[in-house]
Amino acid sequence: DAKTTQPTSMDCAEGRAANLPCNHSTISGNEYVYWYRQIHSQGPQYIIHGLKNNETNEMASLIITEDRKSSTLILPHATLRDTAVYYCIVRVAVPGNQFYFGTGTSLTVIP
Amino acid sequence: DGGITQSPKYLFRKEGQNVTLSCEQNLNHDAMYWYRQDPGQGLRLIYYSQIVNDFQKGDIAEGYSVSREKKESFPLTVTSAQKNPTAFYLCASSIVVGGDQPQHFGDGTRLSIL
Repeated sequence: DAKTTQPTSMDCAEGRAANLPCNHSTISGNEYVYWYRQIHSQGPQYIIHGLKNNETNEMASLIITEDRKSSTLILPHATLRDTAVYYCIVRVAVPGNQFYFGTGTSLTVIP
Repeated sequence: DGGITQSPKYLFRKEGQNVTLSCEQNLNHDAMYWYRQDPGQGLRLIYYSQIVNDFQKGDIAEGYSVSREKKESFPLTVTSAQKNPTAFYLCASSIVVGGDQPQHFGDGTRLSIL
């Protein structure tokens, strides 16, 4: 599975959009991009995933560049409860294939 | 509500003792996984199972054992052979068919050595 690069930490003002970048320049054509977040001492929470097209759900939007070498997770109106570590993962969608979680981006939402 | 239940939330082990961490899911998922997380680090896969009575080693299986006798249950035993067992243990499950489906996680068990 392709490796991802994320900033170690980011801050965002409450109520503003949080844009979390992820670089996956070695991604292959059959690898999906997944985003999870983890609040301290809890299990990771699934946010969103996609292959080529931009995706949106009730939690966030996922923007994948046309060459698929990078993506951005957008939380449209950040709240204090969005403070967490955010993980970007790329993975071949083979049943049973594991998810490789790196160290992610620590997002702090500031009042 | 459907979900994954891990118990206990906190567990203490004495030296030389085996302990078993419970993981139960009512999502009707085929696949289940066990991960280990150390402070400030990502998750590492210990074992996974795609179907009842079958399981595979992950990257760090030494010192651990699992069983999958029922679809909804995937207990992890941390044996005395695991020399550094203090960690946060996470169980996950996913639908196997349609392999892009995400894994869903429990809230973890924190294991410490007395």
